Amino acid sequence: AQKVTQAQTEISVVEKEDVTLDCVYETRDTTYYLFWYKQPPSGELVFLIRRNSFDEQNEISGRYSWNFQKSTSSFNFTITASQVVDSAVYFCALSENTGGFKTIFGAGTRLFVKA
Amino acid sequence: NAGVTQTPKFRILKIGQSMTLQCAQDMNHNYMYWYRQDPGMGLKLIYYSVGAGITDKGEVPNGYNVSRSTTEDFPLRLELAAPSQTSVYFCASSFAQGVPDGYTFGSGTRLTVV
Repeated sequence: AQKVTQAQTEISVVEKEDVTLDCVYETRDTTYYLFWYKQPPSGELVFLIRRNSFDEQNEISGRYSWNFQKSTSSFNFTITASQVVDSAVYFCALSENTGGFKTIFGAGTRLFVKA
Repeated sequence: NAGVTQTPKFRILKIGQSMTLQCAQDMNHNYMYWYRQDPGMGLKLIYYSVGAGITDKGEVPNGYNVSRSTTEDFPLRLELAAPSQTSVYFCASSFAQGVPDGYTFGSGTRLTVV
């Protein structure tokens, strides 16, 4: 069975600090997909990134970067030079290659960025 | 381009009442999903659909029903509402052809059962 664990319930940082959100997953599939979503205080859910299991290349998008390591089943998310607008709940998610690409979500990490 | 539209945004139901949460997408996405979000619990999949006429259960389907008669619409029906169904409900859609895109979510329906 698939599982996503986000051990950090809440993280609080001061603006301009770097912060890493951890994500550990479990799956028996050899082909799977990992995602990160952002839920700001307004409540909507926004897709940030998808990573395929066969592509371990790390990705950078502006201040955001993602580190995918199959050896440790982790898909961590780093925000560099955090800003107040980064305050949100961040969800890591896993989709297997079967059954309608159903996605299961971790419990989320709430990030507070203080000015 | 509206994306995924959910109605209503808020609703209060009495125990035992029924209602339908509406979800419509205009992106011609083949896959659609219903999730519920309880505080601190992440999102749980209720039902999903891979195309018109095809639906299947997710993790927490009890107390709910769905239908998908068109590509665009995926309503969620609550029969005999219970306090345990108090939650925020999100509809999502995605395009998948071999590899799934990220979801596009609706803005959510906050449901309270009293």
